[in-house]
Amino acid sequence: AAGVIQSPRHLIKEKRETATLKCYPIPRHDTVYWYQQGPGQDPQFLISFYEKMQSDKGSIPDRFSAQQFSDYHSELNMSSLELGDSALYFCASSYGTVTDTQYFGPGTRLTVL
Amino acid sequence: SQQGEEDPQALSIQEGENATMNCSYKTSINNLQWYRQNSGRGLVHLILIRSNEREKHSGRLRVTLDTSKKSSSLLITASRAADTASYFCATDNGTGANNLFFGTGTRLTVIP
Repeated sequence: AAGVIQSPRHLIKEKRETATLKCYPIPRHDTVYWYQQGPGQDPQFLISFYEKMQSDKGSIPDRFSAQQFSDYHSELNMSSLELGDSALYFCASSYGTVTDTQYFGPGTRLTVL
Repeated sequence: SQQGEEDPQALSIQEGENATMNCSYKTSINNLQWYRQNSGRGLVHLILIRSNEREKHSGRLRVTLDTSKKSSSLLITASRAADTASYFCATDNGTGANNLFFGTGTRLTVIP
């Protein structure tokens, strides 16, 4: 069965640079979530989209923005990168607005030097 | 953690033994989910239990939920070395928003 796809899987950036992470949800899933997991930490919710509209917002810095496109894929844009942004970034998808199982992608490991 | 704590933070058992992990949360919920994560890898959904359920089974997994105590437990029976991973509980916040709040996780090591 198709899973959530994230790209790139690994990304190395310098401080103050910009990064774009991409997420392709499971086919027919219309809701996408972004989570950030720092080293040794639990995942923290950043932002979610349902039917291309932002549906909820968590602890996402103002330097980050995200959107969901017409094909339901989502991109997380991160600007003015800081060392503390180094983390695993997970995308998850689900179907509909009813709270239900979220299927996670393999994550993008971002390293900021 | 935004939601709660998991207990214990680390657990080491022999292969074949049972492993029990506990999770506490703070708000009312619609459901609680357990996820597994191998080191540095993605989160794999294990089981979901709704707020009106008290116990659920899936293979070697048994999950209980006590909404009065705002706690849940995950039991893995007849553990295998391949069960070695971190286990997280995650909840919604009962408001209808779909985002998950994760516990701090239990690192399980199963010794062959």
